Amino acid sequence: DAMVIQNPRYQVTQFGKPVTLSCSQTLNHNVMYWYQQKSSQAPKLLFHYYDKDFNNEADTPDNFQSRRPNTSFCFLDIRSPGLGDAAMYLCATSRGVEGPQHFGDGTRLSIL
Amino acid sequence: AQTVTQSQPEMSVQEAETVTLSCTYDTSESNYYLFWYKQPPSRQMILVIRQEAYKQQNATENRFSVNFQKAAKSFSLKISDSQLGDTAMYFCAFTNFGNEKLTFGTGTRLTIIP
Repeated sequence: DAMVIQNPRYQVTQFGKPVTLSCSQTLNHNVMYWYQQKSSQAPKLLFHYYDKDFNNEADTPDNFQSRRPNTSFCFLDIRSPGLGDAAMYLCATSRGVEGPQHFGDGTRLSIL
Repeated sequence: AQTVTQSQPEMSVQEAETVTLSCTYDTSESNYYLFWYKQPPSRQMILVIRQEAYKQQNATENRFSVNFQKAAKSFSLKISDSQLGDTAMYFCAFTNFGNEKLTFGTGTRLTIIP
């Protein structure tokens, strides 16, 4: 089945130690999104790629960066994680502006 | 800016009953899409139903249907014959036509009681 796959499901890192979360998709969608979701809250969009074009949200901390080496893969890099960055990180994809977003299972990030 | 409001933080109903989740939104646009997403505990967020604003007919998907009132900017979700598997967080979401970014509501936590 076509899907959005996030690895790992759970990630533990130390305060200040860089961490990378990955997302891959077999849907061949041209738009990929990264969201941060804290407990019982709505997902908060961090940034998204429309094809190769990167779109950063104004309030996304500089600490958060992303890479999309090809259509299928997208990475979220957190350069120096703080305790406040502990959250669920969701990757989603869509086919342009018309299609609904399809979400992965998420990666739960814990900061020690 | 668009906003989405879900006024019911939590709801619970008995299994097999019908439940309606409320959602209102604010926009100055005339063409847009509305969505209901379901996020079960520790599981993937999935699309439940989608409504195009230019369609007057309410969308339905099996036991899930919406009541879309464009003039009132209201988009409620009705779940008929509720099942234990319907227990989840439900998010109402909005996007303008031609814009890929979603605006989410704060969510309604729905519990189906056996």
